[in-house]
Amino acid sequence: GQSLEQPSEVTAVEGAIVQINCTYQTSGFYGLSWYQQHDGGAPTFLSYNALDGLEETGRFSSFLSRSDSYGYLLLQELQMKDSASYFCAASYNFNKFYFGSGTKLNVKP
Amino acid sequence: GAGVSQSPSNKVTEKGKDVELRCDPISGHTALYWYRQSLGQGLEFLIYFQGNSAPDKSGLPSDRFSAERTGGSVSTLTIQRTQQEDSAVYLCASSLVERNTYEQYFGPGTRLTVT
Repeated sequence: GQSLEQPSEVTAVEGAIVQINCTYQTSGFYGLSWYQQHDGGAPTFLSYNALDGLEETGRFSSFLSRSDSYGYLLLQELQMKDSASYFCAASYNFNKFYFGSGTKLNVKP
Repeated sequence: GAGVSQSPSNKVTEKGKDVELRCDPISGHTALYWYRQSLGQGLEFLIYFQGNSAPDKSGLPSDRFSAERTGGSVSTLTIQRTQQEDSAVYLCASSLVERNTYEQYFGPGTRLTVT
């Protein structure tokens, strides 16, 4: 399968901005998704990028650069409830998805 | 409306036994995925169904794993002769596949423990 790289853990304070990076393999790549997973819960969809640029959804934004095989998730105005694991997932050959190992975000008061 | 449901929520089985895991996708969703997640790890793609097309089985880890989807709706994942390394949470997801729409809805998962 395809491998995606993302940091294992990030810590930030309430109200701050945090960026979670993800790099992926290029061959057959279609787009990059982001999911949030709280401990013991199921992943929930946050955002998807098929084209280069920034997609904004409320406090969360996602960016993609195909030329750099790189994307990131930007979380603004961090809240305690944002403490969770965040996964990037690359789609290949239209509908096969490979997930990164996840970034554990710790939000501190 | 109802989300993706999975059963059982927990399954403890002895090594060597067969198990069947069930997934009920969201009504009308044409795509269905099975993933496996070990503790603290990412999701491992297992198999993908799209409409009436032949499934993409390329992620199944061994020939002990099989899956079917009846009538384009309910899916079952079968693991034969279970091994301890099969212990994980098995997640099912469905989506309404249209170009540029890749939002997958996940079920709560089945936690499988092989003793």
